[in-house]
Amino acid sequence: QLQLQESGPGLVKPSETLSLTCTVSGGPVSSSSYYWGWIRQPPGKGLEWIGAIYYSGSTYYNPSLKSRVTISVDTSKNQFSLKLSSVTAADTAVYYCARHSLGSYGYRYFDLWGRGTLVTVSS
Amino acid sequence: QSALTQPASVSGSPGQSITISCTGTSSDIGGYNYVSWYQQHPGKVPKVMIYDVSNRPSGVSNRFSGSKSGNTASLTISGLQAEDEADYYCSSYTSSSTVVFGGGTKLTVL
Repeated sequence: QLQLQESGPGLVKPSETLSLTCTVSGGPVSSSSYYWGWIRQPPGKGLEWIGAIYYSGSTYYNPSLKSRVTISVDTSKNQFSLKLSSVTAADTAVYYCARHSLGSYGYRYFDLWGRGTLVTVSS
Repeated sequence: QSALTQPASVSGSPGQSITISCTGTSSDIGGYNYVSWYQQHPGKVPKVMIYDVSNRPSGVSNRFSGSKSGNTASLTISGLQAEDEADYYCSSYTSSSTVVFGGGTKLTVL
């Protein structure tokens, strides 16, 4: 059974770079049927899509975060990663990795989620 | 991109039906049939309830149904049960090859 698991520091200082990794187990990240991406949820608030990557390296980002976000994939390790630079307290959130089911012209829905990891931005 | 618009809260009594609306634009909901709905209980991971506007994943109760008209999508829950009390989020693919979520709706079962 395919599973996703986020990992990374739970505390990041303001102005530094947040780095998270999602390990995919039970199936290959190099599947032509999916994109792999990140979604976050600040405490007590709604969901925000951050971005997604295809196994070939093709990426798409939320325009509001694009200048600070990099998503990469390592097919040899069956992982994909998120880097968010110049973080502030507003970036404090639960970060989920999620599999994006692909349709004929785009992402249909998020059919598999990691358990989420809380990242707090504080000095 | 602007968030899709959902009511902040809805409520209903057990056995009743409720509908949650999700309004976007022609660049997202109105332009594509990749609208999905997610249920999130407190402290839990979101779970997809509806995808491709009106399809239910295996294992999701047929009390949940989805539809779309123009730039507005809707989630209807019939035969409300206490376990349906949760936050619900809509989501749509966009013309920029991105995804946009709604602000979320808190469903209270009275």
